[in-house]
Amino acid sequence: DGGITQSPKYLFRKEGQNVTLSCEQNLNHDAMYWYRQDPGQGLRLIYYSQIVNDFQKGDIAEGYSVSREKKESFPLTVTSAQKNPTAFYLCASAGGPSYNEQFFGPGTRLTVL
Amino acid sequence: QKEVEQNSGPLSVPEGAIASLNCTYSDRGSQSFFWYRQYSGKSPELIMSIYSNGDKEDGRFTAQLNKASQYVSLLIRDSQPSDSATYLCAVNPGGFQKLVFGTGTRLLVSP
Repeated sequence: DGGITQSPKYLFRKEGQNVTLSCEQNLNHDAMYWYRQDPGQGLRLIYYSQIVNDFQKGDIAEGYSVSREKKESFPLTVTSAQKNPTAFYLCASAGGPSYNEQFFGPGTRLTVL
Repeated sequence: QKEVEQNSGPLSVPEGAIASLNCTYSDRGSQSFFWYRQYSGKSPELIMSIYSNGDKEDGRFTAQLNKASQYVSLLIRDSQPSDSATYLCAVNPGGFQKLVFGTGTRLLVSP
């Protein structure tokens, strides 16, 4: 099955801890994205990557970090510097003939205790 | 600030009716436009993309684009209770494949 996987589905974090959210895709897409969604709000872009070993900050990158060592993988670390990390985190990828179409993984719901 | 505006709703329609969802965008240079469906607690699912002025039909869904008015809409014919979800409008303002999302319109289809 081709698709995007995210793990874990639910994640609980104590204040002051760093946590890493996993995102893997087997669609052979070049571009990958991380978004954050808060209740009743739209999606906000955290980081994106066009190719391996390259990534750019989105609109709300403070308190987050990413890496893109493999085409298939784009993990997101939520650091202790992120003031309000409780949210629904969505990973997406894009590529192929419909270059602009982004497809989403199932998401990770992060709760800070 | 590039913006995408949607009425948050809820938009309530009876089963079998046409649901009309609207979206306006601020960047006149925007090139491509998308509609996503998001069920409660789930991730967004791409249902329509449109790149040129006019209508694009796919099954019960029709996307309409008017670049002069900076307006994109989604029509759902023969609405079903299973269509009840939040519909997100997304716009590519040009350049690399970044999307700007609206906050979504919640659609409720009653049996």
